[in-house]
Parts: sequence; structure tokens; C-alpha cells
Amino acid sequence: DIQMTQSPSSLSASIGDRVTITCRASQSIDNSLNWYQQKPGNSPKLLIYAASSLQTGVPSRFSGSGSGTDFTLTISSLQPEDFATYYCQESYSRPYTFGQGTKLDIK
Amino acid sequence: QITLKESGPALVKPTQTLTLTCTFSGFSLSTSGVGVGWFRQPPGKALDWLALIFWDDDKRYSPSLKNRLTITKDTSRNKVVLTMTNMDPVDTATYYCAQATYLWNSFDPWGQGTLVTVSS
Repeated sequence: DIQMTQSPSSLSASIGDRVTITCRASQSIDNSLNWYQQKPGNSPKLLIYAASSLQTGVPSRFSGSGSGTDFTLTISSLQPEDFATYYCQESYSRPYTFGQGTKLDIK
Repeated sequence: QITLKESGPALVKPTQTLTLTCTFSGFSLSTSGVGVGWFRQPPGKALDWLALIFWDDDKRYSPSLKNRLTITKDTSRNKVVLTMTNMDPVDTATYYCAQATYLWNSFDPWGQGTLVTVSS
């Protein structure tokens, strides 16, 4: 199985900050990487697919980059509604493993 | 508008079989490129992918759970059913279904989830 490692596991930031979350795959997955946002008590929401494509309806302050083994999710200017847990997921091969999550909270 | 909703028992006993149903609207599982996936999330933990079925009846399972899972679709009734045999307390989790896109193996939107507790 491909292992997905996110860093950091938790992050405190302020409104307006630029935030970057990284995700590393244990082997090359080309651009087969999705990012999800999950707020407490809610189901996940797709933000980015294929490493850098913005899902319809997702604000443009979210962006993704990377290929191979190293990927990043960037939020250009944090908004109050962005405080949540973020997960990467490889879509390259079964079992389509998720990272352990990055919890983003208010500083 | 696409919606999905999971249904099934809230409590199952160890060794029993769990049957979950995903009822969806706003899309058809007869449309090329469309699928439905199942996931679970133990309390306070990360997400795990379980199974996936596409419009052409392509079925995919998590290798570690393959022997316990069966996924089926009822295209006319807009339902996907997941069965998991030999349930154990470690299977306690919120179970989600989500629409899948074949091209990217991405999943969105998701249902609200249903909490399944395994306990005697």
C-alpha cells in the first residue's frame, strides 16, 4: 500500500494568513492526489483533484501543487470558515489511502 | 443538486453482517464515468476507503477488507448497497458514501454519514 504522510499534523494560524500543508507519498503517484476539507461533525468536501485542479464551487484562495511524491495545499488568505481538518488522498492505486489529516485552528 | 444518504443499523453485534444502503439523487449510475464509493472514519481518526462501484459494474475493494466486503448497485432505484461480514468492535465508525468520478478517482459530494457501533 502507498503511505501518505501529511505535515504538520496540526497548525494554528490567524485570519488572513497564508497557510501551506504538505503531503508526501511513499512512492510516485504522478498527479493522482486529492485534497478534502472536513469540518467538525460534517462530511468531507473535495477541494482539489488531480493535484492542482480546483473543484467547482471551491474558492480560488485554495490551490494545490506537486507531482510524483510531494504535494502541497495552499490557502492564500485564511477565512474564518477555513478552520477545519484537511486530508490528502492518493487516487493512484487501491486502497486510495488518506493522509492522517492536518487540523487547522485559530491562533 | 446531487445528494446521497446512508442508511443502516446504528448497532450491530460482533460477528454479525452489516448492510448499509446509499440512496442518491441528482445523478444516474447508468451514466458513463460515474460511480459510488464507501468510506469509514473511526471516532477521532482519519478516513479510510472501503469500496467503489462504477456505472459499468467495475467493483473495487480495499485489499485488507476484500474478503469481508460486497458492493452492489440497483441502478433503477438509485441505490448502492455495501455489506461487511464478521463485524468487530474495531469496525465502529461513521460510514460515508460519496459520488465517484472515474477519471480522477475523486469523491464528491458525500453523504452525511451514519455511525455504526459494534458491541455486544
